[in-house]
Amino acid sequence: AQSVTQPDIHITVSEGASLELRCNYSYGATPYLFWYVQSPGQGLQLLLKYFSGDTLVQGIKGFEAEFKRSQSSFNLRKPSVHWSDAAEYFCAVGASGSSNTGKLIFGQGTTLQVKP
Amino acid sequence: DAGVTQSPTHLIKTRGQQVTLRCSPKSGHDTVSWYQQALGQGPQFIFQYYEEEERQRGNFPDRFSGHQFPNYSSELNVNALLLGDSALYLCASSPRRVGEQFFGPGTRLTVL
Repeated sequence: AQSVTQPDIHITVSEGASLELRCNYSYGATPYLFWYVQSPGQGLQLLLKYFSGDTLVQGIKGFEAEFKRSQSSFNLRKPSVHWSDAAEYFCAVGASGSSNTGKLIFGQGTTLQVKP
Repeated sequence: DAGVTQSPTHLIKTRGQQVTLRCSPKSGHDTVSWYQQALGQGPQFIFQYYEEEERQRGNFPDRFSGHQFPNYSSELNVNALLLGDSALYLCASSPRRVGEQFFGPGTRLTVL
């Protein structure tokens, strides 16, 4: 069964510092992978996605993520965090290929707090 | 271009009541999926509608039902509300059944 684990429930970084949010997935084949961000009381905004090809993907707001098949990971990174990045971040996995039904499985989320 | 819209924004119901939530997909999208997000949790897939039929369902009881209209908009119905149904209900649309999903702002349901 597909599953997603985000090991860090809460992370605090200083403004201007680098950021890495961890995501590990369980899936039998190469999955579709996503990172979403959610501000308080809001819906989800897609930051970036991996379907195939280059394992380093660029997203919006200066975020990037790297797909590592050997580690079943899809970690999100940003070189310099801004105070406006404080939010909840969700990693999600979807089935690929002929098994793709559009259903997304989400991790529990990581809350990012940014110190001034 | 309007994104995914949902109504109402907030809703308060009492146990045993029934509720209907509404979703209009992004222009050009024909598939709607519904998710439940409990406080402090990630969204959980409820079901997906495509061509006016339920195509896939998550692990939710039959109290949760839905409908998709010819204009691709959708409704989520929950009967016999329980306290545990209190959550943010998110609607997501995609341009085809397996396309990238765009989420609406959600409906916050509180069951007292």
